[in-house]
Amino acid sequence: QSVLTQPPSVSGAPGQRVTISCTGTSSNIGSGYDVQWYQVLPGTAPKLLMYGYTNRPSGVPDRFSGSKSGTSASLAITGLQAEDEADYYCQSYDSGLSGSVFGGGTKVTVL
Amino acid sequence: QVHLQESGPGLLKPSETLSLNCIVSGASITSDYWSWIRQSPGKGLEWIGHIHYSGTTNYNPSLTGRVTISVDTSRKQFSLTLTSVTAADTALYFCAKLGSRGFDEFDPWGPGTLVTVSS
Repeated sequence: QSVLTQPPSVSGAPGQRVTISCTGTSSNIGSGYDVQWYQVLPGTAPKLLMYGYTNRPSGVPDRFSGSKSGTSASLAITGLQAEDEADYYCQSYDSGLSGSVFGGGTKVTVL
Repeated sequence: QVHLQESGPGLLKPSETLSLNCIVSGASITSDYWSWIRQSPGKGLEWIGHIHYSGTTNYNPSLTGRVTISVDTSRKQFSLTLTSVTAADTALYFCAKLGSRGFDEFDPWGPGTLVTVSS
């Protein structure tokens, strides 16, 4: 069981908006530690999609956006495209473990 | 542009020791932190640990006692050693750079190397 909780799957039609939640606790997100998001396409290594909750690395489309609320973070994909079909993971630091923790991953399906 | 490449044996027997290397190119290894992360079949990502070029390490408590991460600055590589492996250690192992933007982010990642533990 992962320290950060994500829904196993979300889906949407092309062009729609989907959101993925990442719920933590007082020892990670709730303590103010940053949240990152990664996209994992089949057969490839994870790719950094968002860092520090809302910052996109160069090359990541602005269809992807991040936010924070209390002990949770969210990743939104607007204008969903077929190429967005992938697994998405959130990640943060946990003071209890003194290390990084990941969510269980969310599979995004484009209908 | 920073590139990382993992290498090591792909098949181990239970109780053996897993040894993987990660070669760093396009950046100085004497900066920031360097990490190992794994993904078991059908499961999520698990942070294994990280090392600073000075040698300071931090490990996932679930692996403490079995895991060692070391760095060889002259060869521009860092390594993972995991002792007494079992089938539960079967996974895709990634190396990654940690925190280059000042956050706890992993970027970039190596392509990964599959390690299978089977008798």
